[in-house]
Amino acid sequence: NAGVTQTPKFQVLKTGQSMTLQCAQDMNHNSMYWYRQDPGMGLRLIYYSASEGTTDKGEVPNGYNVSRLNKREFSLRLESAAPSQTSVYFCASSGGKTSGRLNIQYFGAGTRLSVL
Amino acid sequence: GESVGLHLPTLSVQEGDNSIINCAYSNSASDYFIWYKQESGKGPQFIIDIRSNMDKRQGQRVTVLLNKTVKHLSLQIAATQPGDSAVYFCAGPQAAGNKLTFGGGTRVLVKP
Repeated sequence: NAGVTQTPKFQVLKTGQSMTLQCAQDMNHNSMYWYRQDPGMGLRLIYYSASEGTTDKGEVPNGYNVSRLNKREFSLRLESAAPSQTSVYFCASSGGKTSGRLNIQYFGAGTRLSVL
Repeated sequence: GESVGLHLPTLSVQEGDNSIINCAYSNSASDYFIWYKQESGKGPQFIIDIRSNMDKRQGQRVTVLLNKTVKHLSLQIAATQPGDSAVYFCAGPQAAGNKLTFGGGTRVLVKP
């Protein structure tokens, strides 16, 4: 029972390099999210996708792009990494809030990214 | 805007004692709340939720209390164990979209 799977688990980049963080869920969820978590800052939403084919900015979208490849997969791309993007990144998914159901988000294990 | 916040960043508790983690929220229209547990090096894990039409909900060794009058909720952990050492977050729904607002987290340290 995999749930939400993120790859890679760890990554070190040099300033200016690009990379894509991958996320896949097997719960048939409509909505997917990317967060970053920094010490003392809690979880901050970068981008989200309410349903397949749609993406929207969250609180801290600058420097990132996303792609909702299909219902299962939602990737986060750093085009030109900066030291300020050193963080732990979490992907989450949820069924969305529909009649009688709560929008409970389920999280992956995270990607620990260092930008030197 | 909406906010969800925890009262104490760190809670130190003796093994076997009960833990109480508090959270305040600003949006009185929030119709549910969620508690998450995050162990070191892992992602947040769903623990329990409570709908706004309830005052109390119990799970396995955990109880959520909701006081809508003062916009406050708490997570109580009975007979705290070393495995309960983690950061606990409360979260509430945002008014628009399928998004959540998360509190800053309370770290629970269990002393043997």
